[in-house]
Amino acid sequence: QKEVEQNSGPLSVPEGAIASLNCTYSDRGSQSFFWYRQYSGKSPELIMSIYSNGDKEDGRFTAQLNKASQYVSLLIRDSQPSDSATYLCAVKSAGGSYIPTFGRGTSLIVHP
Amino acid sequence: DVKVTQSSRYLVKRTGEKVFLECVQDMDHENMFWYRQDPGLGLRLIYFSYDVKMKEKGDIPEGYSVSREKKERFSLILESASTNQTSMYLCASSSGTPGKTQYFGPGTRLLVL
Repeated sequence: QKEVEQNSGPLSVPEGAIASLNCTYSDRGSQSFFWYRQYSGKSPELIMSIYSNGDKEDGRFTAQLNKASQYVSLLIRDSQPSDSATYLCAVKSAGGSYIPTFGRGTSLIVHP
Repeated sequence: DVKVTQSSRYLVKRTGEKVFLECVQDMDHENMFWYRQDPGLGLRLIYFSYDVKMKEKGDIPEGYSVSREKKERFSLILESASTNQTSMYLCASSSGTPGKTQYFGPGTRLLVL
């Protein structure tokens, strides 16, 4: 059974701080990693994808992947109240898999 | 931009009714998926389809069926709605290229009374 684990939170950070969200996965054959943001009552929207070890930056967001330790993280710099949402980690295996395994998400609260 | 649309944002049905939820994507994606999302349980896959007329059961297919007659359209059918099917239903699509991400529709919040 492939598992993706996230701390449910809530993670509370002050405005302007760095928010760090973490995700661990069980399948060593995983090749594709995604972070989604989901506002309350809305559907998930993709914010980052990462496929190789190391860091990938996009604006205020940085995804970090460490396949040896089987974790992927998302850093949000200069956090804003509008970043308050649930962040879902999704992982896909190699070998033509179409179906990602989702974590249950971490709730982030950015307070002014 | 990928666009995935769902036929209704909110739906109220009575127990025993047959319910149709429709999903349409405009990016010529091969794969389409139906999930339900409940508080504390995360996203759970109901069915997916990797081609027209092809379907595969996900983790929780009981009480549901699906139809994919055209590539762009994937329908979820609740044969006889029950109160435990009250949930947020999310459709998603993805390219047939392995490793590509899923794009989600806006969701349908279904209430079964």
